[in-house]
Amino acid sequence: GENVEQHPSTLSVQEGDSAVIKCTYSDSASNYFPWYKQELGKGPQLIIDIRSNVGEKKDQRIAVTLNKTAKHFSLHITETQPEDSAVYFCAASPINSGYSTLTFGKGTMLLVSP
Amino acid sequence: DAGVIQSPRHEVTEMGQEVTLRCKPISGHDYLFWYRQTMMRGLELLIYFNNNVPIDDSGMPEDRFSAKMPNASFSTLKIQPSEPRDSAVYFCASTETGSSGYTFGSGTRLTVV
Repeated sequence: GENVEQHPSTLSVQEGDSAVIKCTYSDSASNYFPWYKQELGKGPQLIIDIRSNVGEKKDQRIAVTLNKTAKHFSLHITETQPEDSAVYFCAASPINSGYSTLTFGKGTMLLVSP
Repeated sequence: DAGVIQSPRHEVTEMGQEVTLRCKPISGHDYLFWYRQTMMRGLELLIYFNNNVPIDDSGMPEDRFSAKMPNASFSTLKIQPSEPRDSAVYFCASTETGSSGYTFGSGTRLTVV
């Protein structure tokens, strides 16, 4: 089955700096890569996703890049703010004509200091 | 929409007792997932349903765990008997055919003492 590795496990940045979280996956059939943000006491929430037919996707201060050849994808947050502090999870899935479940990374705790 | 609703939010029980966790998915969603979250193992898929039918329960750790979905708006995850190593946050999530994103509930924090 799919195996997703996520690094780093913790990341501390100063407000205004950029943050990058990286994930690798093992199943070459995976073609859908979402990122989730989990705030304290809440469930994970989808913040951005990318499919294998594109290499990059942006949404305001958040961007995701995908390298299918190397089987890795990354989350980039620019101009970080204290409210970005949370645990971020990457995931991968071979979405096809049927339905496949997501395999999650172990998570990255991001701390943004004012 | 109120989102995915889980109850209780917190549960403290003694080892050996039966525990039942509850989930109400988003109306119209035909997939429902149960996940367990721990520091050591992260988010683990326990079981998922499609149209109330269990599709894959290979993640259920052992026979002490069981899950049901009697109708489209309700699912339960039961642990009997509970053990301290079952302590974790249990999440329910739902989605609909054609959509890739899951909507998670707020979770149930289970502590078995």
